[in-house]
Amino acid sequence: AQKVTQAQTEISVVEKEDVTLDCVYETRDTTYYLFWYKQPPSGELVFLIRRNSFDEQNEISGRYSWNFQKSTSSFNFTITASQVVDSAVYFCALSEDASSGSARQLTFGSGTQLTVLP
Amino acid sequence: DGGITQSPKYLFRKEGQNVTLSCEQNLNHDAMYWYRQDPGQGLRLIYYSQIVNDFQKGDIAEGYSVSREKKESFPLTVTSAQKNPTAFYLCASSIVGDGSYEQYFGPGTRLTVT
Repeated sequence: AQKVTQAQTEISVVEKEDVTLDCVYETRDTTYYLFWYKQPPSGELVFLIRRNSFDEQNEISGRYSWNFQKSTSSFNFTITASQVVDSAVYFCALSEDASSGSARQLTFGSGTQLTVLP
Repeated sequence: DGGITQSPKYLFRKEGQNVTLSCEQNLNHDAMYWYRQDPGQGLRLIYYSQIVNDFQKGDIAEGYSVSREKKESFPLTVTSAQKNPTAFYLCASSIVGDGSYEQYFGPGTRLTVT
């Protein structure tokens, strides 16, 4: 069975600090996909990134960066120079591989509430 | 603008009543999904559909029903058999193909049953 663990329930930082959100996953599949979503107070989930299990390159997008390490089954998310607008709940999710043409289920972690203080 | 709409944003019902939550998408996605979110928890999959007239149970389907008569629409009915229906319900859609693609979410419906 798949499992995603986000051990950090809540994190508070002061604006301009860097912050890393941890994500550890479990799966028996050799091919799988990892995602990060942001849920602002409005409630709608916003897609941030998708990464497949064969691509271990780290990725940077503006102030956001992701560190994927298969050896430790982790897919951590770092926000550099955090801003108040980054305050939200962040979810890590995992999807197994499936036959072509099939919908994929996402298994979500419990989320990390990030509060950035001015 | 392409996207997913869910209505209403807030819904109140008396215990014992069935209630239907609407979800419409104009992204031309084949797959659609319903999730439930409880306070402080992640999302749990209720039902999903990868094609019209076909749908599959997710992890917590008991007490819920769905239909998929049109590609654009995937309504969810919360029946009186659902023991704890008060929650935040999110609808999503995605393309279907090789690999796993990101799901795009609607704004959600917050259901309160008293």
